[in-house]
Amino acid sequence: NAGVTQTPKFRVLKTGQSMTLLCAQDMNHEYMYWYRQDPGMGLRLIHYSVGEGTTAKGEVPDGYNVSRLKKQNFLLGLESAAPSQTSVYFCASRHYRQRGRETQYFGPGTRLLVL
Amino acid sequence: SQQGEEDPQALSIQEGENATMNCSYKTSINNLQWYRQNSGRGLVHLILIRSNEREKHSGRLRVTLDTSKKSSSLLITASRAADTASYFCATDAGYQKVTFGIGTKLQVIP
Repeated sequence: NAGVTQTPKFRVLKTGQSMTLLCAQDMNHEYMYWYRQDPGMGLRLIHYSVGEGTTAKGEVPDGYNVSRLKKQNFLLGLESAAPSQTSVYFCASRHYRQRGRETQYFGPGTRLLVL
Repeated sequence: SQQGEEDPQALSIQEGENATMNCSYKTSINNLQWYRQNSGRGLVHLILIRSNEREKHSGRLRVTLDTSKKSSSLLITASRAADTASYFCATDAGYQKVTFGIGTKLQVIP
């Protein structure tokens, strides 16, 4: 099993450009999450999904959109990138709420630089 | 806002010493989890403690939970250089997601 994979690993954007980050998991997990990590801020939840076709806003959703068309994939879109979106983005997944299955599994991260 | 707050934010110890990190949180939780992040990598789950548990062990890790004080501690015994990483607590309050703290950066000097 590959676990959670993220594409791309690194990207440089100019202000106003758009891009999509792809997260894929092969563990048949129901829940998927997108976080951003900034120095001194820890991980902040952007959006999450509790199943195929459903998404919900997290703590810092502004400027991002997501889609979960397939259970194994969770896409994060930036329609018009801003320098404030320079960050490291992590995707995570886990089983649905069930005792003993609360662990989140993380991808390796995508480093995004917006100039 | 962050639910968990780790203390200290940075810790430097000699190899072989014990490392203790603390986490405080604000609301009632179902469970509290600790994760490790090596530089430039994703987070890796270490241990989970439920709200009705007070202490849990896993290898060289010991986690305690005091729900009356809304705090938890992670103890790493006999530390190794390979333990150098950032450690995060994450609280699960039962809303389909967990909330992470800002982390403790641990450096173990060989």
